[in-house]
Amino acid sequence: KAGVTQTPRYLIKTRGQQVTLSCSPISGHRSVSWYQQTPGQGLQFLFEYFSETQRNKGNFPGRFSGRQFSNSRSEMNVSTLELGDSALYLCASSLVAGSNQPQHFGDGTRLSIL
Amino acid sequence: TQLLEQSPQFLSIQEGENLTVYCNSSSVFSSLQWYRQEPGEGPVLLVTVVTGGEVKKLKRLTFQFGDARKDSSLHITAAQPGDTGLYLCAGVGDNAGGTSYGKLTFGQGTILTVHP
Repeated sequence: KAGVTQTPRYLIKTRGQQVTLSCSPISGHRSVSWYQQTPGQGLQFLFEYFSETQRNKGNFPGRFSGRQFSNSRSEMNVSTLELGDSALYLCASSLVAGSNQPQHFGDGTRLSIL
Repeated sequence: TQLLEQSPQFLSIQEGENLTVYCNSSSVFSSLQWYRQEPGEGPVLLVTVVTGGEVKKLKRLTFQFGDARKDSSLHITAAQPGDTGLYLCAGVGDNAGGTSYGKLTFGQGTILTVHP
């Protein structure tokens, strides 16, 4: 059974640009959550999507947005990139919505802002 | 905002030693999850504890959830080099109506190195 797939694995952007990251959940999983991981702040929750609707949102600025498609695949977009957005972005899927559910993580997209 | 204090931040031990990682908060969590993450990979779920006072064992790993559901610990017996990695605790907010309700809050993590 294929795991959570995140693309691309690595990305280099410059300040002011925008970026879109993609996440394909485990087959049958309908909930997708996004996290940002940095050495200083650790793992922080960005948002959760279920059935194409955002269920929950973390404390990030509006530059961070996401969406989920009917096949449960999800994308995350960051606009007007800042140096501080350099991080590992992780996607996790679960069968149904709710953080009580076991989260299955992908290996992340490493985003570097120059 | 619910915070999870995880300690120690770094742990370097010899093979065969025992260790304990702590996860503490002033807030109540409806459940608590422990993950292990290796370099270049995403976190992998080890266990979920739900009931206050619950103890779960996974081979040489013992997980405990505090009676008040505010803290948890991970104890590893006879550590092996294969246990090396970043250990993360994560709690699901229990404060209905609060900003952290239903969200997974992670501790800062414990980097464990087990030397052969």
